Amino acid sequence: DIQMTQSPSTLSASVGDRVTITCRASQSTNSWLAWYQQKAGKAPKYLIYKASSLASGVPSRFSGSGSETEFTLTISSLQPDDFATYYCQQYNIYPYTFGQGTKLEIK
Amino acid sequence: EVQLLESGGGLVQPGGSLRLSCVVSGFTFTSYAMSWVRQAPGKGLEWVSAVSDSGGSTYYAGSVKGRFTISRDNSKNTLYLQMNSLSADDTAVYYCAIQGASSSGSFSYWGQGTVVTVSS
Repeated sequence: DIQMTQSPSTLSASVGDRVTITCRASQSTNSWLAWYQQKAGKAPKYLIYKASSLASGVPSRFSGSGSETEFTLTISSLQPDDFATYYCQQYNIYPYTFGQGTKLEIK
Repeated sequence: EVQLLESGGGLVQPGGSLRLSCVVSGFTFTSYAMSWVRQAPGKGLEWVSAVSDSGGSTYYAGSVKGRFTISRDNSKNTLYLQMNSLSADDTAVYYCAIQGASSSGSFSYWGQGTVVTVSS
């Protein structure tokens, strides 16, 4: 199985900050990597696919980059609605696997 | 508007069984693979199982293989998850998700989830 490791596990930031979350895979995912945002008690929301493609309706302040085994999610200017937990997911091979999540908190 | 509506969750005793359903509307159900993803209380997301668009291919996480069975009825736009030999470790919110609307294998649409609690 491909293991996905996110860092940091928790991130404290302020509105307007630029933040980056890292996701590392234990083997190549061939850029088949997605990012999701989840708020408490809600289903995850699709943000990014194929490592860097923005899902429909997602604000342009979100961006993804990376390839093979190392990927990043960047929020260019944090908005109040962005405080949530973020997950990466590889879909190169089954079993699909998620990172453990990064909780983005208000500083 | 795409809607996924899960049902069938509830309280079940250890060793028991439960069948989850997910009805999809506003989307061409027959064209896409589907998955179940779960989230234990206070934990992260765990992919559980997937089925191809035709239903001919199925995939499982190691933690549920041999106990859970995924299936779909394309005539009813419905996805199922039959869960047997349940244990406390299976307690979670179970989400159904559409795979591949934007990129095969990623989950573009999610249901609101159904809660499964395994306890005596």
